[in-house]
Amino acid sequence: AQSVTQLGSHVSVSEGALVLLRCNYSSSVPPYLFWYVQYPNQGLQLLLKYTTGATLVKGINGFEAEFKKSETSFHLTKPSAHMSDAAEYFCAVSDRDGGADGLTFGKGTHLIIQP
Amino acid sequence: EAGVAQSPRYKIIEKRQSVAFWCNPISGHATLYWYQQILGQGPKLLIQFQNNGVVDDSQLPKDRFSAERLKGVDSTLKIQPAKLEDSAVYLCASSLVGYETQYFGPGTRLLVL
Repeated sequence: AQSVTQLGSHVSVSEGALVLLRCNYSSSVPPYLFWYVQYPNQGLQLLLKYTTGATLVKGINGFEAEFKKSETSFHLTKPSAHMSDAAEYFCAVSDRDGGADGLTFGKGTHLIIQP
Repeated sequence: EAGVAQSPRYKIIEKRQSVAFWCNPISGHATLYWYQQILGQGPKLLIQFQNNGVVDDSQLPKDRFSAERLKGVDSTLKIQPAKLEDSAVYLCASSLVGYETQYFGPGTRLLVL
């Protein structure tokens, strides 16, 4: 069974600073990996995904993530934080088991942006 | 393009009552998912439909939860009877086909008293 671990339930950075949100996964098959963002009282919005090919994936709002198979990691980064980035971020892996591809999510990381 | 629609947005019921949630996926999306998100946790998959057939319901508490997608479009998730621990946000998502990006609705926030 797949699992996702997000290190740090809360991460606080200053506006303009580097954002780094950590995600490690376990999967018995080559994984499909995702980062979603959730703003208060809203559904989840896809930031980026890795399926195959290039291991450095660029997403919306200046975010990117790198798939590192040897480290079983898919950390999310953004060079310069904006106040609007404050939200809950979820890393997820796709099960991809015989047609079933429901997502297994981590517990989430709450990103706080300090002015 | 219209997104995934869900209703109601909020629901408060007492334990042992029944409740139903409705989801209308993005037009043309064959795959539909229901997730349960308990406060402070990531969403957990309850059930996945491909058209009107069930692909995965291994994490659905079948003694009290049921879901259907009769015509391969809209879906209903029901809880009967509800327990206190069912308090959560219920998210519906859809994708064009399996393994494609899942698009999420705004969710239904359920409080069981």
